[in-house]
Amino acid sequence: IAGITQAPTSQILAAGRRMTLRCTQDMRHNAMYWYRQDLGLGLRLIHYSNTAGTTGKGEVPDGYSVSRANTDDFPLTLASAVPSQTSVYFCASSGTLTGELFFGEGSRLTVL
Amino acid sequence: AQSVTQPDIHITVSEGASLELRCNYSYGATPYLFWYVQSPGQGLQLLLKYFSGDTLVQGIKGFEAEFKRSQSSFNLRKPSVHWSDAAEYFCAVGAEGSGYSTLTFGKGTMLLVSP
Repeated sequence: IAGITQAPTSQILAAGRRMTLRCTQDMRHNAMYWYRQDLGLGLRLIHYSNTAGTTGKGEVPDGYSVSRANTDDFPLTLASAVPSQTSVYFCASSGTLTGELFFGEGSRLTVL
Repeated sequence: AQSVTQPDIHITVSEGASLELRCNYSYGATPYLFWYVQSPGQGLQLLLKYFSGDTLVQGIKGFEAEFKRSQSSFNLRKPSVHWSDAAEYFCAVGAEGSGYSTLTFGKGTMLLVSP
């Protein structure tokens, strides 16, 4: 089944540790996104990529980095995790100019 | 910059009753509008979308939404709610003409369905 795969599904992490959330899509979409979802705040855009080789900052990029070496993969890295990065992270992709997004199932991250 | 307001954090509806979830947006040009649904522990699924044309759009699971430019609204409706509709609903707006634009989401409305 075509779609977006995120890993890990869930992770508990000590503060200060480095963590990479993986995202892979098989729909050949050009654009990919990382959102975080927090209670009462909805979804907030962290980083995006309009095409392989390019990335951009969203609403809450601090403490996060991304890369887009190819069309299919869009990993999100927390270089030194902090408790405020405890959240559910969603990867999404879009193949249209109108911005319709397809979402992965999410990665729940807890930073202690 | 575009923004989305969902005024209701929670709504409780009896099973079989009608439903309307409110969404107001702010954007200077013609917006692209979306409603997504999120069941517990799941990702977001697209219910319906408006790009242009007929202002009443039909979606999956019996949902519909009406774009009203004069009111900057895109309210979601369903004539008869089922218990399986209990979920969180997000309205989102995208910008026209910006290529692979980013969507701005509202903070969501949690729908509870009572027996």
